[in-house]
Amino acid sequence: EAGVVQSPRYKIIEKKQPVAFWCNPISGHNTLYWYLQNLGQGPELLIRYENEEAVDDSQLPKDRFSAERLKGVDSTLKIQPAELGDSAVYLCASSLGTGADTQYFGPGTRLTVL
Amino acid sequence: EDQVTQSPEALRLQEGESSSLNCSYTVSGLRGLFWYRQDPGKGPEFLFTLYSAGEEKEKERLKATLTKKESFLHITAPKPEDSATYLCAVQRLSYKLTFGKGTLLTVNP
Repeated sequence: EAGVVQSPRYKIIEKKQPVAFWCNPISGHNTLYWYLQNLGQGPELLIRYENEEAVDDSQLPKDRFSAERLKGVDSTLKIQPAELGDSAVYLCASSLGTGADTQYFGPGTRLTVL
Repeated sequence: EDQVTQSPEALRLQEGESSSLNCSYTVSGLRGLFWYRQDPGKGPEFLFTLYSAGEEKEKERLKATLTKKESFLHITAPKPEDSATYLCAVQRLSYKLTFGKGTLLTVNP
């Protein structure tokens, strides 16, 4: 069974430029999560989707971050404009449902903002 | 606010030298405690879920235990390939996972 797929794996951009990350969850997983992981820290949730609905985006900095999950499958996370402090690893995870269902993570996208 | 504290921050072992990693937590309404392994440049890989105090789970050289305030990840006779960062996370009665900072384990041959 294929795992969570993310692209690109690495991205280097200048500050103030836009950037987008793509995630394809495990087939059949209705719940999708975007996390941010800074160096030496655990992942922190940005947004959670149930199918195509964003049910918790309370931790998403909405002035510059946006996300969508069209048709309840793939998802895109966008930053516009990027700031130096956005340099981090952006992880996507998916689970069959919420509750205590295990979240399976993708390999992440490492973003460097210069 | 949920808090997860992992100790030690880093642990260096010789191959075959058993030890334990600690995860202490404060959470309102624990639904589950998760252990993940993370290799450099990769996403966290699921290891275990524990749901109630007294529960134990094993996988190869790893054994996870849970009390009302902490969880331990015991590593028996570790090998170099066990070197990784081990992350602990707690889940509330809602869905939210709160992670600790992790323990960086290095096993020398």
